[in-house]
Order: sequence, then C-alpha cells, then structure tokens
Amino acid sequence: DAGITQSPRHKVTETGTPVTLRCHQTENHRYMYWYRQDPGHGLRLIHYSYGVKDTDKGEVSDGYSVSRSKTEDFLLTLESATSSQTSVYFCASNGGHHTDTQYFGPGTRLTVL
Amino acid sequence: AQSVSQHNHHVILSEAASLELGCNYSYGGTVNLFWYVQYPGQHLQLLLKYFSGDPLVKGIKGFEAEFIKSKFSFNLRKPSVQWSDTAEYFCAVTASGAGSYQLTFGKGTKLSVIP
Repeated sequence: DAGITQSPRHKVTETGTPVTLRCHQTENHRYMYWYRQDPGHGLRLIHYSYGVKDTDKGEVSDGYSVSRSKTEDFLLTLESATSSQTSVYFCASNGGHHTDTQYFGPGTRLTVL
Repeated sequence: AQSVSQHNHHVILSEAASLELGCNYSYGGTVNLFWYVQYPGQHLQLLLKYFSGDPLVKGIKGFEAEFIKSKFSFNLRKPSVQWSDTAEYFCAVTASGAGSYQLTFGKGTKLSVIP
C-alpha cells in the first residue's frame, strides 16, 4: 500500500468549533483527494488537489475548505463544524492519470456533538 | 457526469457459495472501472481495475470482473467465497479524458459470509 497517513484518527468536537484534518503521503503523488463516507452513500468527494496550491471542489464541498502548501500534505478544514459533518473522512492520492489507482489512507472518524 | 449503481445493499452467503455483485454505470463516453474492498475497520483497497483490453479482469484474492460495454456493467465475481471475504465492496468509475480523473463511487454492497 502507498504511504498515506491521516491525523487524527479519531476526534470528537462540539458544534461550531473549527476542525482540521491532515493527510500526509510519501509517494510524491501529484493528486490528492478528500472523501467522506456515510452509511448508504458510499464515498463522496469533498475536495481534491492537482498540485501545490491547486485545489477544486468535489460533490459535497459546502462547509469545507482545503489547503495544499506541500506536495505531501493536504489539509481539510471544517470552519465551523456541524452535526451533519459527523462522518468518516478518507484521504487518497495518485499520480493523476485516469487509469491510476487511488490509494487510500486509514480514515479519520469525526464526531460533532 | 458519471454515476454508479450497485444493485444489492447487503448480500449474505455461506462459505463456498459463488458470488456475483452487480455494478452498472451511467456515462456516454470511455470509462475506467474499479472495484475496491473495505474490510471491517479498515481503509479501501483495490481489488481490480479495467481501463482497456481484455474485458475479463482478474484481481487479487481470486476475484474477477467482466466489463460488458453494451450493458454498461462491471460485475464482480468469485467462484467460492470464504469467511474472510466479509467486507463492503465498492464499484467506482472515472471518465477517460475528464481533467481531474475523479472517482465516482457506488453506494457499496455489504457482503456477509457465514461459516
């Protein structure tokens, strides 16, 4: 498996607080992605990045922002967490070619009370 | 935009039974197709993928899938399941030529194998 780590692995927070999740990859992949996984919905793309400082929105981007200042790091921020953002968040990366496998991190379980 | 449908939400099989999980996609152009597996409490791992050539694709752990273009389908099969195959299975598609090569996932099929 590709070297993708996520931190924290678990987080409980309160409504209205800011939260930042970190994804770190050691594969020098150009593309990185943030997904959320919810029962009955599969995985849905939140944001993705196609290079340092280059990001774009996915299917469910409202309430989330991202930043990528280095190739290896991709941050997901919830500016003001809401209970609807309780989910499991997965980061992924690949080289960006359309046949490339996306490699996934271990996930972060976020609970917003 | 592309979409993916997985017909079965939850499949329960006994060990040694044969498995077929359905996947249909909606997209008018050329696609690349993937099956991922998520074992309980773990991250997604690639089982197999198709992007060109032989439409019958063999993956890890004895899984295979067949791309039938006329039916927009990419069904996953295994001739004899084991208890260790208990997991959730996701079909996914990228559209060839789409600038970002985003994966679109189906909602997943949970497989429970009874010993």
